[in-house]
Amino acid sequence: VIWMTQSPSLLSASTGDRVTISCRMSQGISSYLAWYQQKPGKAPELLIYAASTLQSGVPSRFSGSGSGTDFTLTISCLQSEDFATYYCQQYYSFPLTFGPGTKVDIK
Amino acid sequence: EVQLVESGGGLVQPGGSLRLSCAASGFTFSSYAMSWVRQAPGKGLEWVSAISGSGGSTYYADSVKGRFTISRDNSKNTLYLQMNSLRAEDTAVYYCAKGRFGEIDAFDIWGQGTMVTVSS
Repeated sequence: VIWMTQSPSLLSASTGDRVTISCRMSQGISSYLAWYQQKPGKAPELLIYAASTLQSGVPSRFSGSGSGTDFTLTISCLQSEDFATYYCQQYYSFPLTFGPGTKVDIK
Repeated sequence: EVQLVESGGGLVQPGGSLRLSCAASGFTFSSYAMSWVRQAPGKGLEWVSAISGSGGSTYYADSVKGRFTISRDNSKNTLYLQMNSLRAEDTAVYYCAKGRFGEIDAFDIWGQGTMVTVSS
């Protein structure tokens, strides 16, 4: 089983801030990493796959980087609609696993 | 429009059974692997099970192996999750999710979820 950690678990930020969320794997997964955004009461939405490829329709202020065991999601200029919980997920091997999540709330 | 719609959730007693369904539309269902992902109240996401496009390969999380069975009917564009021997810890919103391309891939389409509550 590939275990994942995310940091921070809670991030308080203001509109316009640049925010960075980290995801670390217990073993290397090449670039088989996705990032999702979830708002309360809603299903998750895919933001980024293959560690750095932006899903169609996702604003360009979102970006991803990393490979192997260390990955980063960056929001370059936080907008009001970005306050949500973010999850990383590895799809290198079964069982698929998600990180514990990072909640981005208003400072 | 690409869409997934889950149904079949509800209240069930511990030890009971439930079958979830996920109706797909707007894409060639048989071409894509599908998964079930659940989220306990106030908790994070947990992958439950996956099935290949043909239905010939299935995968399970250890927490449900031997109790849950994933299946699909490509003629009906429908994914299923048969849940037996349910436990309180199975209480969650269950989402079906479509894999992007490969048998193991990120999930680009999610349903709205169906709530399963296991309680006496």
